[in-house]
Amino acid sequence: EAQVTQNPRYLITVTGKKLTVTCSQNMNHEYMSWYRQDPGLGLRQIYYSMNVEVTDKGDVPEGYKVSRKEKRNFPLILESPSPNQTSLYFCASSYSGDTEAFFGQGTRLTVV
Amino acid sequence: TQLLEQSPQFLSIQEGENLTVYCNSSSVFSSLQWYRQEPGEGPVLLVTVVTGGEVKKLKRLTFQFGDARKDSSLHITAAQPGDTGLYLCAGADYKLSFGAGTTVTVRA
Repeated sequence: EAQVTQNPRYLITVTGKKLTVTCSQNMNHEYMSWYRQDPGLGLRQIYYSMNVEVTDKGDVPEGYKVSRKEKRNFPLILESPSPNQTSLYFCASSYSGDTEAFFGQGTRLTVV
Repeated sequence: TQLLEQSPQFLSIQEGENLTVYCNSSSVFSSLQWYRQEPGEGPVLLVTVVTGGEVKKLKRLTFQFGDARKDSSLHITAAQPGDTGLYLCAGADYKLSFGAGTTVTVRA
């Protein structure tokens, strides 16, 4: 079954404690991206990757890091989380940046 | 500032009624995608419209792409409770830009 898997689904952490949200896809897609979803603001792209070892900033990259060492995995790293990063996060993969995006089930992050 | 404006933000109707959701932009897109997102899940693609003036039907859902490829609408005929969800439009150029979404609630 074609899918994008994110972990964890829920995470509560404290300000400043580094965390990683994992994302894996089994569709051999080259393009992967991370979004955050906030009420009234929709989905905003944080970072994207067009291929292995190729990553670039999206619309709201501050406070986040990513890596793409393998085609299937695209982890999101928050080195020093702050309360304004409390949000619902989605990983997505697609054939290219403008084609159908397949989303994971989301990670609800709360930073206290 | 949202690149894509969706209206209305919320819509609550009775089962059997019709509804229309709008997606407007000042930018031209090569295509426009509509997604539905249910609580606790990620968005899932409903349709992609590519040609200006294009109309696509998916059972009771009708999607239209504006002639200038800047706007789109989603019309649901005889809505059912299973149509409840967040409807998102996304404009495609070199990447996807999403609207804020319309939350649709269909009451039984």
